[in-house]
Amino acid sequence: AQSVTQLDSHVSVSEGTPVLLRCNYSSSYSPSLFWYVQHPNKGLQLLLKYTSAATLVKGINGFEAEFKKSETSFHLTKPSAHMSDAAEYFCVVSDLDYGQNFVFGPGTRLSVLP
Amino acid sequence: DGGITQSPKYLFRKEGQNVTLSCEQNLNHDAMYWYRQDPGQGLRLIYYSQIVNDFQKGDIAEGYSVSREKKESFPLTVTSAQKNPTAFYLCAGGPRGHTGELFFGEGSRLTVL
Repeated sequence: AQSVTQLDSHVSVSEGTPVLLRCNYSSSYSPSLFWYVQHPNKGLQLLLKYTSAATLVKGINGFEAEFKKSETSFHLTKPSAHMSDAAEYFCVVSDLDYGQNFVFGPGTRLSVLP
Repeated sequence: DGGITQSPKYLFRKEGQNVTLSCEQNLNHDAMYWYRQDPGQGLRLIYYSQIVNDFQKGDIAEGYSVSREKKESFPLTVTSAQKNPTAFYLCAGGPRGHTGELFFGEGSRLTVL
């Protein structure tokens, strides 16, 4: 069965410093992996996705993630945090073996300090 | 403008009342989903539909009902049987299959008084 673990429930960084949000997954087949961002009282917006092409995926707003099959990880990074990055981030996994298609991690709340 | 439109954004309900949350899409997505989000938690799947006139229960379907009479519309009814309905509800659409991303509405916040 699929599952997603986001290793940190809350991450706090200073503006201008790097961001690392960690995600590990389990999947029976070759998965598709996604990162979404949610600002308060809003819907989720796709940051980036991996679907068996390049293992280093670039997304919007300077975010990128690297798919590492051997480590079953899909960590999200950004070189320099901006105040507007403060939000909730969700890692999502999907594969052919799961009829409901998508499993969401519990989320990581990112705080950006001035 | 377009995409996934949810209404109302805020809704208050008395205990024992049924309420229906609207979800409309103009993206021609085959699949549509309803999720529930509680504070500090991830998204939990209530119902999903991969094709018109067909839908499947998700992980927490008890106390909810849906219909999919048109491709564009996937309303969710929160019935009086749902014991703890106060939550943020998110509707999403996407292509069938596991490689396409989901597109989300802005959400509906339901509060039971």
